[in-house]
Amino acid sequence: DQQVKQNSPSLSVQEGRISILNCDYTNSMFDYFLWYKKYPAEGPTFLISISSIKDKNEDGRFTVFLNKSAKHLSLHIVPSQPGDSAVYFCAAKATHNFNKFYFGSGTKLNVKP
Amino acid sequence: NAGVTQTPKFQVLKTGQSMTLQCAQDMNHEYMSWYRQDPGMGLRLIHYSVGAGITDQGEVPNGYNVSRSTTEDFPLRLLSAAPSQTSVYFCASSQDRPNTGELFFGEGSRLTVL
Repeated sequence: DQQVKQNSPSLSVQEGRISILNCDYTNSMFDYFLWYKKYPAEGPTFLISISSIKDKNEDGRFTVFLNKSAKHLSLHIVPSQPGDSAVYFCAAKATHNFNKFYFGSGTKLNVKP
Repeated sequence: NAGVTQTPKFQVLKTGQSMTLQCAQDMNHEYMSWYRQDPGMGLRLIHYSVGAGITDQGEVPNGYNVSRSTTEDFPLRLLSAAPSQTSVYFCASSQDRPNTGELFFGEGSRLTVL
């Protein structure tokens, strides 16, 4: 059973608007969360992360929110740009087993010009 | 500025053949790992290593072997390929840190088993 889930396989937004990508997890031991972006024929690249001691982390147009009680995190992209079109994976790991990253199935974002 | 390098990028095998996917990193990272990506499944951990001489199994290790004789290299071996191993394989590395340490990925190796 997947411990990290991304229930939306795809998302389409207009350029300039907000993109919100969601991720849920089941393992309460997870305490570090990451988002990766992947373009076709390339490997995933790290985008942004958040520790469980925070509920928000911001980096330019990208903000990650963490709701520990709901075991939910989200990635906000504002404003969205056509170059943001990619597959986004969320990932999680736990301090006691920090060499194991668990990934969601990904959400394909399409930003329309 | 090579980062993580995987070879080959594409490979077609027949059922029962063996092959090795190569992975090398030049960032002096202690931690290296192999993932496979399948539609609707995300990235699943096959094997990982926390340093030279040390390897361990991930979520889906069956059918794969690994070894870590140097810090730089972490090859993945398929001893007898099966169609179920058709996938895109990614090698990744990171510094071995508990609360940080994002993964750096290679470009991937697309394997087809007929």
